[in-house]
Amino acid sequence: EVQLVQSGAEVKKPGESLKISCKGSGYSFTSYWIGWVRQMPGKGLEWMGIIYPGDSDTRYSPSFQGQVTISADKSISTAYLQWSSLKASDTAMYYCARRVGDQNAFDIWGQGTMVTVSS
Amino acid sequence: QSVLTQPPSASGTPGQRVTISCSGSSSNIGSNTVNWYQQLPGTAPKLLIYSNNQRPSGVPDRFSGSKSGTSASLAISGLQSEDEADYYCAAWDDSLNVYVFGTGTKVTVL
Repeated sequence: EVQLVQSGAEVKKPGESLKISCKGSGYSFTSYWIGWVRQMPGKGLEWMGIIYPGDSDTRYSPSFQGQVTISADKSISTAYLQWSSLKASDTAMYYCARRVGDQNAFDIWGQGTMVTVSS
Repeated sequence: QSVLTQPPSASGTPGQRVTISCSGSSSNIGSNTVNWYQQLPGTAPKLLIYSNNQRPSGVPDRFSGSKSGTSASLAISGLQSEDEADYYCAAWDDSLNVYVFGTGTKVTVL
Protein backbone atom coordinates (compact mmCIF):
# COMPACT_ATOMS: atom_id res chain seq x y z
CA GLU A 1 0.00 0.00 0.00
CA VAL A 2 1.26 3.44 -0.95
CA GLN A 3 1.23 5.67 2.09
CA LEU A 4 2.77 8.59 3.90
CA VAL A 5 2.91 8.35 7.68
CA GLN A 6 3.62 11.48 9.67
CA SER A 7 5.02 11.89 13.15
CA GLY A 8 2.73 12.56 16.08
CA ALA A 9 1.27 15.73 17.52
CA GLU A 10 3.62 18.21 19.15
CA VAL A 11 3.13 20.82 21.89
CA LYS A 12 5.92 23.37 22.07
CA LYS A 13 6.71 26.74 23.60
CA PRO A 14 7.48 29.88 21.59
CA GLY A 15 11.14 30.01 20.64
CA GLU A 16 11.64 26.25 20.68
CA SER A 17 12.78 24.26 17.67
CA LEU A 18 10.91 21.41 16.03
CA LYS A 19 11.33 18.87 13.25
CA ILE A 20 8.37 16.78 12.07
CA SER A 21 8.61 13.86 9.70
CA CYS A 22 6.79 12.15 6.85
CA LYS A 23 7.76 8.57 5.95
CA GLY A 24 6.83 7.13 2.59
CA SER A 25 6.30 3.48 1.82
CA GLY A 26 4.94 1.28 -0.92
CA TYR A 27 6.52 3.25 -3.77
CA SER A 28 9.86 4.62 -4.98
CA PHE A 29 10.31 7.49 -2.53
CA THR A 30 13.07 9.10 -4.58
CA SER A 31 10.93 9.39 -7.71
CA TYR A 32 8.19 11.70 -6.50
CA TRP A 33 8.17 15.22 -5.12
CA ILE A 34 6.86 15.60 -1.56
CA GLY A 35 5.05 18.78 -0.62
CA TRP A 36 4.08 20.31 2.72
CA VAL A 37 0.74 22.02 3.32
CA ARG A 38 -0.33 24.09 6.32
CA GLN A 39 -3.87 24.33 7.63
CA MET A 40 -4.38 26.76 10.47
CA PRO A 41 -7.31 26.08 12.82
CA GLY A 42 -10.58 26.54 10.98
CA LYS A 43 -8.82 27.82 7.86
CA GLY A 44 -7.95 26.68 4.36
CA LEU A 45 -4.96 24.95 2.80
CA GLU A 46 -1.64 26.70 2.14
CA TRP A 47 1.22 25.28 0.08
CA MET A 48 4.51 25.71 1.91
CA GLY A 49 7.02 24.10 -0.38
CA ILE A 50 8.19 20.92 -2.02
CA ILE A 51 11.22 18.65 -2.17
CA TYR A 52 12.45 16.00 -4.57
CA PRO A 53 14.02 13.33 -2.35
CA GLY A 54 16.07 11.96 -5.23
CA ASP A 55 18.41 14.96 -5.23
CA SER A 56 16.94 17.16 -2.44
CA ASP A 57 15.96 19.88 -4.89
CA THR A 58 13.70 22.13 -2.78
CA ARG A 59 11.31 24.95 -3.63
CA TYR A 60 9.59 27.22 -1.13
CA SER A 61 6.55 29.41 -1.21
CA PRO A 62 7.72 33.02 -0.71
CA SER A 63 5.38 33.14 2.29
CA PHE A 64 7.37 30.41 4.03
CA GLN A 65 10.89 30.98 2.68
CA GLY A 66 13.20 31.58 5.61
CA GLN A 67 10.53 30.54 8.12
CA VAL A 68 10.88 26.77 7.75
CA THR A 69 13.31 24.26 6.32
CA ILE A 70 12.27 21.31 4.19
CA SER A 71 14.63 18.37 3.90
CA ALA A 72 14.68 14.67 3.14
CA ASP A 73 16.69 11.55 3.95
CA LYS A 74 16.24 9.20 1.04
CA SER A 75 18.00 6.37 2.84
CA ILE A 76 15.02 6.08 5.17
CA SER A 77 12.35 7.41 2.78
CA THR A 78 11.54 10.33 5.05
CA ALA A 79 10.87 14.01 4.45
CA TYR A 80 11.07 16.64 7.15
CA LEU A 81 9.70 20.06 8.01
CA GLN A 82 11.52 22.02 10.64
CA TRP A 83 11.46 25.28 12.54
CA SER A 84 14.37 26.85 14.41
CA SER A 85 12.23 29.17 16.53
CA LEU A 86 8.52 28.52 16.77
CA LYS A 87 5.90 31.23 17.11
CA ALA A 88 2.33 30.98 18.36
CA SER A 89 1.22 31.67 14.80
CA ASP A 90 2.82 28.37 13.72
CA THR A 91 0.00 26.52 15.50
CA ALA A 92 -1.59 24.47 12.74
CA MET A 93 -2.07 21.07 11.18
CA TYR A 94 0.73 20.21 8.76
CA TYR A 95 0.27 17.70 5.96
CA CYS A 96 2.81 16.12 3.67
CA ALA A 97 1.62 14.92 0.27
CA ARG A 98 3.06 13.18 -2.78
CA ARG A 99 2.97 15.04 -6.06
CA VAL A 100 2.05 12.91 -9.05
CA GLY A 101 3.03 13.59 -12.62
CA ASP A 102 3.52 17.05 -14.06
CA GLN A 103 0.12 18.36 -13.11
CA ASN A 104 0.98 19.38 -9.57
CA ALA A 105 -1.68 17.07 -8.21
CA PHE A 106 -1.10 15.63 -4.75
CA ASP A 107 -2.46 12.11 -4.81
CA ILE A 108 -1.30 10.63 -1.50
CA TRP A 109 -1.52 12.55 1.77
CA GLY A 110 -0.16 11.92 5.22
CA GLN A 111 -2.57 11.89 8.13
CA GLY A 112 -1.33 15.27 9.36
CA THR A 113 0.74 16.45 12.30
CA MET A 114 -0.83 18.94 14.70
CA VAL A 115 1.65 21.46 16.03
CA THR A 116 0.56 23.59 19.00
CA VAL A 117 2.77 26.44 20.11
CA SER A 118 1.76 27.98 23.41
CA SER A 119 3.45 29.48 26.42
CA GLN B 1 -5.14 35.45 0.95
CA SER B 2 -5.86 32.99 -1.83
CA VAL B 3 -5.88 34.01 -5.48
CA LEU B 4 -8.47 31.33 -6.31
CA THR B 5 -11.94 32.35 -5.23
CA GLN B 6 -14.66 29.87 -4.31
CA PRO B 7 -18.09 30.40 -2.75
CA PRO B 8 -17.88 29.77 1.00
CA SER B 9 -20.80 27.38 1.01
CA ALA B 10 -23.07 25.27 -1.16
CA SER B 11 -25.91 22.94 -0.27
CA GLY B 12 -28.41 20.54 -1.70
CA THR B 13 -30.75 17.73 -0.82
CA PRO B 14 -29.85 14.08 -1.40
CA GLY B 15 -29.91 13.26 -5.10
CA GLN B 16 -29.52 16.86 -6.24
CA ARG B 17 -26.71 18.28 -8.33
CA VAL B 18 -24.38 20.83 -6.74
CA THR B 19 -21.81 22.93 -8.58
CA ILE B 20 -18.84 24.74 -7.05
CA SER B 21 -17.03 27.46 -8.94
CA CYS B 22 -13.35 28.43 -8.76
CA SER B 23 -12.29 31.76 -10.20
CA GLY B 24 -8.66 32.53 -10.94
CA SER B 25 -6.54 34.44 -13.42
CA SER B 26 -4.36 34.02 -16.48
CA SER B 27 -1.32 33.13 -14.35
CA ASN B 28 -2.96 30.17 -12.65
CA ILE B 29 -6.12 28.56 -14.03
CA GLY B 30 -5.65 30.30 -17.35
CA SER B 31 -2.33 28.61 -17.98
CA ASN B 32 -2.27 25.48 -15.81
CA THR B 33 -4.47 22.53 -15.01
CA VAL B 34 -6.85 22.53 -12.06
CA ASN B 35 -7.11 19.94 -9.33
CA TRP B 36 -9.85 19.48 -6.77
CA TYR B 37 -9.56 18.10 -3.24
CA GLN B 38 -12.18 16.88 -0.82
CA GLN B 39 -11.58 17.22 2.90
CA LEU B 40 -13.99 15.30 5.11
CA PRO B 41 -14.32 16.60 8.68
CA GLY B 42 -11.23 15.83 10.75
CA THR B 43 -9.35 14.12 7.93
CA ALA B 44 -6.59 14.86 5.46
CA PRO B 45 -7.51 16.20 2.01
CA LYS B 46 -8.11 13.68 -0.76
CA LEU B 47 -7.47 14.19 -4.46
CA LEU B 48 -10.84 14.23 -6.20
CA ILE B 49 -10.12 15.58 -9.69
CA TYR B 50 -6.80 16.19 -11.45
CA SER B 51 -5.89 17.72 -14.80
CA ASN B 52 -9.19 19.65 -14.89
CA ASN B 53 -11.49 16.66 -15.37
CA GLN B 54 -9.74 13.38 -14.56
CA ARG B 55 -10.83 11.19 -11.68
CA PRO B 56 -8.31 9.10 -9.74
CA SER B 57 -9.13 5.45 -9.38
CA GLY B 58 -11.85 4.94 -6.79
CA VAL B 59 -13.50 8.35 -7.10
CA PRO B 60 -17.17 7.94 -8.06
CA ASP B 61 -18.24 9.31 -11.43
CA ARG B 62 -20.74 11.49 -9.59
CA PHE B 63 -17.84 13.93 -9.33
CA SER B 64 -16.83 15.81 -12.44
CA GLY B 65 -14.62 18.77 -13.22
CA SER B 66 -14.40 21.31 -15.98
CA LYS B 67 -12.39 24.37 -16.90
CA SER B 68 -13.00 27.33 -19.16
CA GLY B 69 -10.61 30.24 -19.46
CA THR B 70 -9.70 31.42 -15.98
CA SER B 71 -12.46 29.55 -14.16
CA ALA B 72 -13.12 25.97 -13.18
CA SER B 73 -16.04 24.06 -11.73
CA LEU B 74 -16.66 20.94 -9.73
CA ALA B 75 -20.02 19.24 -10.05
CA ILE B 76 -21.44 16.67 -7.69
CA SER B 77 -24.43 14.85 -9.09
CA GLY B 78 -26.65 12.56 -7.07
CA LEU B 79 -25.57 14.27 -3.85
CA GLN B 80 -25.13 11.92 -0.90
CA SER B 81 -24.80 12.55 2.82
CA GLU B 82 -21.18 11.36 2.77
CA ASP B 83 -20.36 14.21 0.37
CA GLU B 84 -20.58 16.69 3.24
CA ALA B 85 -17.08 18.10 3.26
CA ASP B 86 -14.89 21.04 2.35
CA TYR B 87 -13.82 21.22 -1.29
CA TYR B 88 -10.76 23.05 -2.57
CA CYS B 89 -9.63 23.85 -6.09
CA ALA B 90 -5.90 24.26 -6.72
CA ALA B 91 -3.49 25.17 -9.50
CA TRP B 92 0.08 26.27 -10.03
CA ASP B 93 0.52 30.02 -10.32
CA ASP B 94 3.24 31.03 -12.79
CA SER B 95 3.54 34.59 -11.46
CA LEU B 96 3.75 33.75 -7.75
CA ASN B 97 5.66 30.49 -8.34
CA VAL B 98 3.48 28.73 -5.81
CA TYR B 99 0.78 26.10 -5.81
CA VAL B 100 -2.35 27.98 -4.84
CA PHE B 101 -5.42 26.52 -3.20
CA GLY B 102 -8.87 28.03 -3.47
CA THR B 103 -10.62 29.59 -0.51
CA GLY B 104 -12.64 26.42 0.02
CA THR B 105 -16.33 25.59 -0.18
CA LYS B 106 -18.26 23.81 2.53
CA VAL B 107 -20.89 21.52 1.07
CA THR B 108 -23.88 20.72 3.26
CA VAL B 109 -26.39 18.00 2.50
CA LEU B 110 -29.76 19.19 3.73
